[in-house]
Amino acid sequence: SYELTQPPSVSVSPGQTASITCSGDKLGDKYACWYQQKPGLSPVLVIYQDTKRPSGIPERFSGSNSGNTATLTISGTQAMDEADYYCQAWDSSAVVFGGGTKLTVL
Amino acid sequence: EVQLVESGGGLVQPGGSLRLSCAASKFTFSSYWMHWVRQAPGKGLVWVSRVNSDESSTTYADSVKGRFTISRDNAKSTLYLQMNSLRADDTAVYYCARVGLSFGAGMDVWGQGTTVTVSS
Repeated sequence: SYELTQPPSVSVSPGQTASITCSGDKLGDKYACWYQQKPGLSPVLVIYQDTKRPSGIPERFSGSNSGNTATLTISGTQAMDEADYYCQAWDSSAVVFGGGTKLTVL
Repeated sequence: EVQLVESGGGLVQPGGSLRLSCAASKFTFSSYWMHWVRQAPGKGLVWVSRVNSDESSTTYADSVKGRFTISRDNAKSTLYLQMNSLRADDTAVYYCARVGLSFGAGMDVWGQGTTVTVSS
């Protein structure tokens, strides 16, 4: 079965750029999405179709996807961005999530 | 406001059954593919199942195949998940989610989740 691999944790200083990677075999041939989840809350879609931001998602969130790796980039990271982030892709008609990355802003 | 509201969770003994519901409002439910996603305590998101807009096609994760059944009633704007032969490792918060209309669109609307606990 298809697998997506994320680093368990990423740390960033306020105002700096955070990059969270998601690796999978030929992931660049598929569309990737990213979700943000804060404690006790439901996930929120922050990136879809590799690079697109839903309405209401700040411009500091961006995405890319090429080769075997998709990347979520948060520019000018703010304290409010501290959360768990999950990548997601489609494998045939099924859905796969990465294991999640805890972003710490310190 | 576009909304999904899950219900039906609770405590059930191993081997038991539960049916989850997800009521949709303020959007044309019948146009969208729908998914169930679960999250065990302290763990990550795990996809469970999906159904297309007219219920002609369904897909399941291997871990629930043969035990869970996804369905929908477009007239009632409601998604269901029938869960049978429940096991301790099915314990999780279960979310329903809507997938956007374009290919590669993400799950753009999520419910608040309903908690399922499988324990004796």
